[in-house]
Amino acid sequence: DIQMTQSPSSLSASVGDRVTITCRASQTISSSLNWYQQKAGEAPKVLIFGASSLQSGVPSRFSGSGSGTDFTLTISSLQPEDFATYYCQQSYTTPPFTFGPGTKVEIK
Amino acid sequence: EVQLLESGGDLVQPGGSLRLSCAASGLTFSSQTMTWVRQAPGKGLEWVSAISGGGYTYYADSVKGRFIISRDNSKNTLYLQVNSLRAEDTAVYYCAKVESSSYFGDWGQGTLVTVSS
Repeated sequence: DIQMTQSPSSLSASVGDRVTITCRASQTISSSLNWYQQKAGEAPKVLIFGASSLQSGVPSRFSGSGSGTDFTLTISSLQPEDFATYYCQQSYTTPPFTFGPGTKVEIK
Repeated sequence: EVQLLESGGDLVQPGGSLRLSCAASGLTFSSQTMTWVRQAPGKGLEWVSAISGGGYTYYADSVKGRFIISRDNSKNTLYLQVNSLRAEDTAVYYCAKVESSSYFGDWGQGTLVTVSS
């Protein structure tokens, strides 16, 4: 099975900061990488699919890039509502639909 | 608008069983691949099971042989029969719609399963 890792596991940032989260797959997954945001007490919500496609309704400050094994989620200017945990997920060889361990973005 | 509403979560003893339900609306349910994802308290997301529109089923190794996913297209409802429950099955269980690009586009609010004596 494909394993997913994320870094960092957590970060502290201020409103307005540019934030970058990295996700790595244990083998190539082409562009089959999705990003989810989960706020405390809520269900996850998809932000990016296919490595770089922005889900409808998601603010343009969110962007995704990468292919193969290395991927990045970038928040260009962090807003108060962006403090949450972010998960990557591979959808290249499914099942299983493997998630990364998550990155918690906290207020500095 | 797609709506997914889970139910059936409860406190159950180790070795017990439950049937979780996910009532769906706002989508062509019969042709839709659906999935269950769980999240243990304070932990990350874990994919559990999926079922295609044609009824093909898939399971994570951690639940294979204990959990059964099914669907009733006449009721627009997804099910997860969870058997032989263990403490490590304690989690919020979410149902979600699988999009054509294999990402999970819509999620329910979750139902809590607690396994404890």
